[in-house]
Amino acid sequence: AQSVTQLGSHVSVSEGALVLLRCNYSSSVPPYLFWYVQYPNQGLQLLLKYTTGATLVKGINGFEAEFKKSETSFHLTKPSAHMSDAAEYFCAVSDRGSSYKLIFGSGTRLLVRP
Amino acid sequence: DAGITQSPRHKVTETGTPVTLRCHQTENHRYMYWYRQDPGHGLRLIHYSYGVKDTDKGEVSDGYSVSRSKTEDFLLTLESATSSQTSVYFCAISDPGQGLFSPLPYEQYFGPGTRLTVT
Repeated sequence: AQSVTQLGSHVSVSEGALVLLRCNYSSSVPPYLFWYVQYPNQGLQLLLKYTTGATLVKGINGFEAEFKKSETSFHLTKPSAHMSDAAEYFCAVSDRGSSYKLIFGSGTRLLVRP
Repeated sequence: DAGITQSPRHKVTETGTPVTLRCHQTENHRYMYWYRQDPGHGLRLIHYSYGVKDTDKGEVSDGYSVSRSKTEDFLLTLESATSSQTSVYFCAISDPGQGLFSPLPYEQYFGPGTRLTVT
């Protein structure tokens, strides 16, 4: 069964530093890939997604992610962290044969230090 | 923002009592989902619906039932609540958009959540 692994339940960076949140999936067939963000006491909001084509995907709020098939990874990055980026981030995948269902990673909480 | 509301937003109930959570959408999306969110587990799918009266189980369906009598409403029922069902529950919606056999993924849009505490 498909699974998603997010390395690091908590990541702490200084304001202005690079943000790197890691996500690996298990499927040998590349799935659809998503990153969602959850601000405190809110629902999840789609940051970006990879379906096909260009492997570097740009999302909202300056985030981007790169699909690497050889590494089965879809890591999320942002060149310069802002205090407003503090939130929980979830990687999710859906199989191409059943793309109506998402499988989520366990989440990474991003802390941004002043 | 997608028009999704959840009610109630907060609820405290006692073990053994029945509880029903409601998800209401104004987007006319075909698919609706119920997830639970627990620390260290991300979101886990409880049940989903692919149309009126059409539902199926997710990975953590034990102890939960659902009903969908109208496109816009999806109800989650805990027949006899237990402390292990203390969680935050999220509803989500999605739609094929380009047709049933669209090759593109169904983007899911999430409601604000319901925090349920079972004492």
